[in-house]
Amino acid sequence: QVQLVQSGAEVKKPGASVKVSCKASGYTVTDYYIHWVRQAPGQGLEWMGVINPSAGSTIYAKKLQGRVTMTRDTSTTTVYMELSSLRSEDTALYYCARGGSVGGHRFFDYWGQGTLVTVSS
Amino acid sequence: DLQLTQSPSFLSASVGDRVTITCRANQGISNYLAWYQQKPGRAPKLLIYAASTLQSGVPSRFSGSGSGTEFTFTISSLQPEDFATYYCQQLTTFGQGTRLEIK
Repeated sequence: QVQLVQSGAEVKKPGASVKVSCKASGYTVTDYYIHWVRQAPGQGLEWMGVINPSAGSTIYAKKLQGRVTMTRDTSTTTVYMELSSLRSEDTALYYCARGGSVGGHRFFDYWGQGTLVTVSS
Repeated sequence: DLQLTQSPSFLSASVGDRVTITCRANQGISNYLAWYQQKPGRAPKLLIYAASTLQSGVPSRFSGSGSGTEFTFTISSLQPEDFATYYCQQLTTFGQGTRLEIK
């Protein structure tokens, strides 16, 4: 069965970086894009960016460009999201999600369990 | 930039009720819209894509419709497990969410 398993919770100081992993299994990883979505406490969902695990190409949300980097390791079927220059507003639950597609319609059909990143001095 | 606005933001209803949530886009998006359910402490779950296509395994009491700029999501008869927050989405843009609570 399709699974996305994320790394554990992190506590970081302002200005530091965090790297969250998302290990995919149960399908051919290079066949589906992986998106990252975050959710601040009590808030809605915010799309952060996407990586094509096959080519390694990425598209990032304008708001995060320059601070976010998504990479992949196809040998371990793991995708990574690194966010730098952390500030308190980056405190959130971070999700990876598989980008499904049917007839040109795209959606997120499987999600990781989420990784809580807390930024605090 | 695309914006999706859901209404209402909060909805109180009873088991057995029929509820409808609206999602309005500020530009036409054909039927490229999905709906998700999120329960506290859990990842979102895909319910509907292409505005009206039910994801595999999702109960038929959930339905969606619409095209262009106005979309609706309906639960025909609320069950206890349906109390959650619902989001509409067009790939990189999410609505702000509708929290559905028990009356």
